[in-house]
Amino acid sequence: KQEVTQIPAALSVPEGENLVLNCSFTDSAIYNLQWFRQDPGKGLTSLLLIQSSQREQTSGRLNASLDKSSGRSTLYIAASQPGDSATYLCAVKYGNKLVFGAGTILRVKS
Amino acid sequence: DTEVTQTPKHLVMGMTNKKSLKCEQHMGHRAMYWYKQKAKKPPELMFVYSYEKLSINESVPSRFSPECPNSSLLNLHLHALQPEDSALYLCASSPLDMGFWETQYFGPGTRLLVL
Repeated sequence: KQEVTQIPAALSVPEGENLVLNCSFTDSAIYNLQWFRQDPGKGLTSLLLIQSSQREQTSGRLNASLDKSSGRSTLYIAASQPGDSATYLCAVKYGNKLVFGAGTILRVKS
Repeated sequence: DTEVTQTPKHLVMGMTNKKSLKCEQHMGHRAMYWYKQKAKKPPELMFVYSYEKLSINESVPSRFSPECPNSSLLNLHLHALQPEDSALYLCASSPLDMGFWETQYFGPGTRLLVL
C-alpha cells in the first residue's frame, strides 16, 4: 500500500529559526514529490516539485530534497517568518494519483 | 488565466436536498479531480476525469455524482448526503502532458456543511 508519513505533526518555532519538515513514503516507484502549503480553510499552493530523478529543488528560502532509494524527503525553511505559519503537505505522485501525507502544522511566533 | 475556480465558497444543505458544486479551469488542462478533505486530515481523492472521461472512482458512495460537461468544467452533484459528508471539497486540474513534471493546480475549495 502506498503511504506517506510526515513528521512532526506540529511544530512551533520563534521567528528567524531554520527548520526541517520530514516526509517518508513506502513505495519508491514515484513520478515526483511535491510540497504544498495550505492556509486554514483554503486550497493548496504548490511550493516545490522534485522529479523522481532529481535530488533537490530550491525556491527562495525553501529547499526540498529527495532520496528516492530510502523513501524520504525533507523541506528546509530558512529564516522562518510569521507568514510561514500554515500546514505543509507532502504529496507523492504515483501514475495519475497524488498520495498525501497528513501534514505538518507550522506556527512561527513573532 | 492560471487558476482553478470553485463555486460556491460555502454551502449548507439538508440531508434531503440536491445541490451541485462547480469547478472551472481555463488553462487547457485535460485532467480534473475532486478531493474531499476533513478537518485536520489530508485531501482524499474521490474522482479523476481524463480527457472528459471518468478514469478513477475511489469507491465513492453514489450520493456523490460527478459530471464533466466539457474540458473546462467539472461538477459534483450531491444528493441525500449525511452529516459525515461535511468537509472541504477541493477541485484540481493538471495538463496530462508534463510527464515527470506533472503537477496539479488546486482551487480554493467549497466548504460543505450537511445538517
